[in-house]
Amino acid sequence: GAVVSQHPSWVICKSGTSVKIECRSLDFQATTMFWYRQFPKQSLMLMATSNEGSKATYEQGVEKDKFLINHASLTLSTLTVTSAHPEDSSFYICSAMPGAQSYNSPLHFGNGTRLTVT
Amino acid sequence: AQRVTQPEKLLSVFKGAPVELKCNYSYSGSPELFWYVQYSRQRLQLLLRHISRESIKGFTADLNKGETSFHLKKPFAQEEDSAMYYCVPYSSASKIIFGSGTRLSIRP
Repeated sequence: GAVVSQHPSWVICKSGTSVKIECRSLDFQATTMFWYRQFPKQSLMLMATSNEGSKATYEQGVEKDKFLINHASLTLSTLTVTSAHPEDSSFYICSAMPGAQSYNSPLHFGNGTRLTVT
Repeated sequence: AQRVTQPEKLLSVFKGAPVELKCNYSYSGSPELFWYVQYSRQRLQLLLRHISRESIKGFTADLNKGETSFHLKKPFAQEEDSAMYYCVPYSSASKIIFGSGTRLSIRP
């Protein structure tokens, strides 16, 4: 089955530093990947849609300069949290849709990254 | 506006009892409907989708276009069904937005 690998699983960083999270589709190509944020005991909040070879589409209220998304290949999208602050501490999840964007295709999820900013 | 409503945050039933997790949606166009599940300490995964009309782990979901609902059902709950369930409708005209989710707890 389709596998999405997300690294790191957890990371602790100091305020003001940047953290990069990788999302890889291991056995399929993904034109579109999605980045979500999940607060404790809450649902997933869509942050942005990442399209290979083009700029990401950010949701309202998500700072694109703070959450930099790069989707340079069909198997890799990265989310960089720049100048992290404690309020950025959260669980970040990526998902990928196989092939060209088709809304009949299911999403495949990474295992998530627990970010703690001290 | 796009909206998906899962009215129950927590649903607790006894093992062997029937289960119904409700989902109502408001979407432009004709969305495809999915149910995703997240078991404890595991990643989100697809449970079932309407287009496949399949039964997975004993679960089925019927699309009611008139009521714009896609409720998830299982006649006899098992302890391993305890998890977080998300109803996710999406179409080419919409974003992929998750409902608030329902935590299903099966009591022995």
